[in-house]
Amino acid sequence: TQLLEQSPQFLSIQEGENLTVYCNSSSVFSSLQWYRQEPGEGPVLLVTVVTGGEVKKLKRLTFQFGDARKDSSLHITAAQPGDTGLYLCAGARTYKYIFGTGTRLKVLA
Amino acid sequence: DVKVTQSSRYLVKRTGEKVFLECVQDMDHENMFWYRQDPGLGLRLIYFSYDVKMKEKGDIPEGYSVSREKKERFSLILESASTNQTSMYLCASSLESGARGYEQYFGPGTRLTVT
Repeated sequence: TQLLEQSPQFLSIQEGENLTVYCNSSSVFSSLQWYRQEPGEGPVLLVTVVTGGEVKKLKRLTFQFGDARKDSSLHITAAQPGDTGLYLCAGARTYKYIFGTGTRLKVLA
Repeated sequence: DVKVTQSSRYLVKRTGEKVFLECVQDMDHENMFWYRQDPGLGLRLIYFSYDVKMKEKGDIPEGYSVSREKKERFSLILESASTNQTSMYLCASSLESGARGYEQYFGPGTRLTVT
């Protein structure tokens, strides 16, 4: 059973556009993380959000944790080719993380 | 600099072979994890270890076993490889554990093909 659904699954946009990726679940998580994975590499942690309603900004990336701690979003402003990669959300359940299905982003120059 | 290394980037094995995937971390982390990554399914936890010689099953442990004899090394073993174990295998380590959030550091992955 896949507990974390991400949408869209694929996204191809032009440089300079804005985009939002969603991570949804019917389950509550105590914390949620976003990772980016580039081809041939393992995922790299971008952010951890812990409190319902929390918003964190990392340069052009804005992360939000839903009030009920069941969902999250990642917004990228003025996307750049360097943002290309697979974005994964991961929700904490007791001692382990459940990973989402992934969103593959391609930013064209 | 944080480092998690995996013994092979690419591996091709035959059905029925015994396969060892090795992972080493140099950060003195207590916790180590093995995941497999398949398109559309994200990462799924196979096993994790929170201390030397300790192991816990993850979500999909069937067909796999693990070994942690030293703190820095965590091995994944496929006793008799099958074609449905063809996948990308990722090892990770973390200093902390618990539901409030801990950072996992991932290795580059081993792409295993079983023919």
